[in-house]
Parts: sequence; C-alpha cells; structure tokens
Amino acid sequence: QMQLQESGPGLVKPSETLSLSCTVSGGSISSSTNYWGWIRQPPGKGLEWMGSIYNSGSTYDNMSLKSRGTIFVDTSKNQFSLKLSSVTAADTAVYYCATGSPGDGMDVWGQGTTVIVSS
Amino acid sequence: QSVLTQPPSASGTPGQRVTISCSGSSSNIGRNAVNWYQHLPGTAPKLLISSNNQRPSGVPDRFSGSKSGTSASLAISGLLSEDEVDYYCAAWDGSLHGYVFGTGTKVTVL
Repeated sequence: QMQLQESGPGLVKPSETLSLSCTVSGGSISSSTNYWGWIRQPPGKGLEWMGSIYNSGSTYDNMSLKSRGTIFVDTSKNQFSLKLSSVTAADTAVYYCATGSPGDGMDVWGQGTTVIVSS
Repeated sequence: QSVLTQPPSASGTPGQRVTISCSGSSSNIGRNAVNWYQHLPGTAPKLLISSNNQRPSGVPDRFSGSKSGTSASLAISGLLSEDEVDYYCAAWDGSLHGYVFGTGTKVTVL
C-alpha cells in the first residue's frame, strides 16, 4: 500500500521560495506509471490543484501560479517536490501531495502540511 | 475562481438521499472524466468516484456518480452523520491544460 508524506518548513517569508517534498513509501517512483501532484487549500477556501508530473517527465502547472511553481522528481530519494517562488500571504495554505493512475483520480494522498507565509 | 460550479451546501436527514451537482463546460466535463473527492478539512482528501461513476475499492455503494453533457452529479444515499464533510468534483480542462476542482459543497446531516 503506497503512502505519501509531505515535509517542509511551516513558515516562509514573503518573496522567498517555498520548498516542499513528498516522500513515497510502499512503492518506487522510478518504476511506477503513476502521476504525482500537489494540491493546496488556503484557509476558508476550496481545493486548488497546483500541478502534476508524469512518469514521462511531462509537467503541467496551474496557470494561475504564473510560472512560479516547479515540480520535479528525485528518484534517489523516492520523492517528488514542489518549489514555489516569490510567495505572498496568498500562498498560505495546507499543501497536499497526491498520486494516481493516468486517466484516473488521485487515490493516494498525504496528510497535508501547513505553510504560513509571514515576515 | 473555479470553472466547475457546485452548490455551496446540501443537506438531508439520516437515511435520506442527497445529490450534489457539478456544472462545467465542453473543455472539462464535456470531454473528460469527472472525479469526486470527500474532504474533512485538515485531513487527507479521499477519492470517492473516479472516471464519472467508478467507485475505488473500499468506497461504499451508497456513493454513486453520473455525468451528462457538461454536468455531473454525486448522489449519497442512506445519509449517515459521518457524511457531513465537504465534497469536490474535479476534471481535466483542455483549455486550461490543467486539472480543476469544483467550488466544493458542504453536506450537513440534519
């Protein structure tokens, strides 16, 4: 049974870059055909898809992020990561990593990690 | 602002059937599969329905999904108190080249 666990700083200063990682256990990223994604939920708001990376290496990002987000895989650590640059208070949210089979929904999720952007 | 519109709330008494709608367009629901997620804020969202109407293993058959044209629906029958959480539809949007979530519906069990 695959499991995901997010990690990263709980507090980031405005204008800095947020870096989050998602460690995969119970399976290998390099041998999986799954896609890997990041989703967030700002306080009092709904779920927002941020982007996904596929086994082929193709990535798709939410255009509303205006190219601030980058998703990449580190097979040596069995992790995938998100970097979000030039953060503002609007990036304060609970961040989730998730995975699924191509063509299907995301059926495995991490528990989420809270990130606060504040000086 | 999401391109998939859901009612902000829905309610029912225990045992009743509740239906949640999800309205989209030809670039998302009209040509791509719809997924439904159940979410208690602060916990991991759960995939309830995949590919319009498929229940992943472990999801009770009280939950069912359907799609017609540019709209989709989630039905919860035999409503239980534990169903009192948030529900989101989602689909790939070909115009945005991205995955979009609906606005979310909070279900209340009266």
